[in-house]
Amino acid sequence: GENVEQHPSTLSVQEGDSAVIKCTYSDSASNYFPWYKQELGKGPQLIIDIRSNVGEKKDQRIAVTLNKTAKHFSLHITETQPEDSAVYFCAASPRGDSNYQLIWGAGTKLIIKP
Amino acid sequence: NAGVTQTPKFRILKIGQSMTLQCTQDMNHNYMYWYRQDPGMGLKLIYYSVGAGITDKGEVPNGYNVSRSTTEDFPLRLELAAPSQTSVYFCASSPYDRGTEAFFGQGTRLTVV
Repeated sequence: GENVEQHPSTLSVQEGDSAVIKCTYSDSASNYFPWYKQELGKGPQLIIDIRSNVGEKKDQRIAVTLNKTAKHFSLHITETQPEDSAVYFCAASPRGDSNYQLIWGAGTKLIIKP
Repeated sequence: NAGVTQTPKFRILKIGQSMTLQCTQDMNHNYMYWYRQDPGMGLKLIYYSVGAGITDKGEVPNGYNVSRSTTEDFPLRLELAAPSQTSVYFCASSPYDRGTEAFFGQGTRLTVV
């Protein structure tokens, strides 16, 4: 089955700098890749997603890139702000799998230093 | 618009007790999911439903049961609670299959002692 690995587990960046979180997946048939942000005490919230027919997608300061050949996708946050501090999760949705589920990475704790 | 509402937010159970975690969504989504989140881990799917009257097991279903009598409600039942069920539980709903564009509730923190 699908396996998603996420790195790093913790990332500390200076406010205003960029942050990059990377995920790799194992099932080449996976075709949907969302990123979720989880703030303390809250449920995950979808911030951006990408499908396998697209290589890059941007939404203001957030972008996601997908490399299907290498089977990895990355979250890019530019001009980081204190409110970006949270845990970020990537996930992949395999096709041909009867369980109708997303397979999740273990999460990255992003710390924005003032 | 409330989205996905979970109750309770916190609960402490004794070993062997039972309880039901409630989940309601007001977005008319067909797809609903229950996840558990253990410290330092990603979410694991417990059960899911593709519509009223239809449920199926996810990755970690043992010790849990669900029902889906209406589109809005998807309760999760824990029978004979065990310490291994100490976790944070999230309910989610989605307008599409395979968890696409899923909305999550705020979670229930359960401790079994």
